[in-house]
Amino acid sequence: GAGVSQSPSNKVTEKGKDVELRCDPISGHTALYWYRQRLGQGLEFLIYFQGNSAPDKSGLPSDRFSAERTGESVSTLTIQRTQQEDSAVYLCASSLGRQGYEQYFGPGTRLTVT
Amino acid sequence: AQSVSQHNHHVILSEAASLELGCNYSYGGTVNLFWYVQYPGQHLQLLLKYFSGDPLVKGIKGFEAEFIKSKFSFNLRKPSVQWSDTAEYFCALISNDYKLSFGAGTTVTVRA
Repeated sequence: GAGVSQSPSNKVTEKGKDVELRCDPISGHTALYWYRQRLGQGLEFLIYFQGNSAPDKSGLPSDRFSAERTGESVSTLTIQRTQQEDSAVYLCASSLGRQGYEQYFGPGTRLTVT
Repeated sequence: AQSVSQHNHHVILSEAASLELGCNYSYGGTVNLFWYVQYPGQHLQLLLKYFSGDPLVKGIKGFEAEFIKSKFSFNLRKPSVQWSDTAEYFCALISNDYKLSFGAGTTVTVRA
């Protein structure tokens, strides 16, 4: 079956512009996660959705970052007024549920802020 | 707060050599531990996982890992590597039932 998909695969934007990143989870997966991977570093947790509610937004770096999810489907991560330090690979993952289930990752969106 | 540390940043091996990647974690609760792999140009894939039971877990492609609770470790091993094992390897733990905390990763280069 289809895995987690993300779009765009690459995004180059100018500093100060807004960007929107999309994630399509595996069908039937109720949990969805966003992570960020900066060059040479491990993954940082950003936000977690259970259905369309986000019980944990603790990883969002600033109020320029926001995310939403429609039902148990698509999620979008929005970064407003992008800064150069936002350059990273943004990864989305989904899982069947919250506890005891492995997370399946998408290919990521590579964001470059110039 | 939980954390995961991987001892090696870059490991270079010849084919047929044995591989062991170190992983130590810090977390006060029950742990679920994972090793993920990212092959060049591909996305993260799960190699193996430990939730409970036998502390020696076997994963795909001949990999295994041993959970040693007293040492807070979850080292990854493979007896004989192949060129196709060239990849980046990440150790991770789940806290709060959903939040994956990753180590910084170890790049493994296998020379033919």
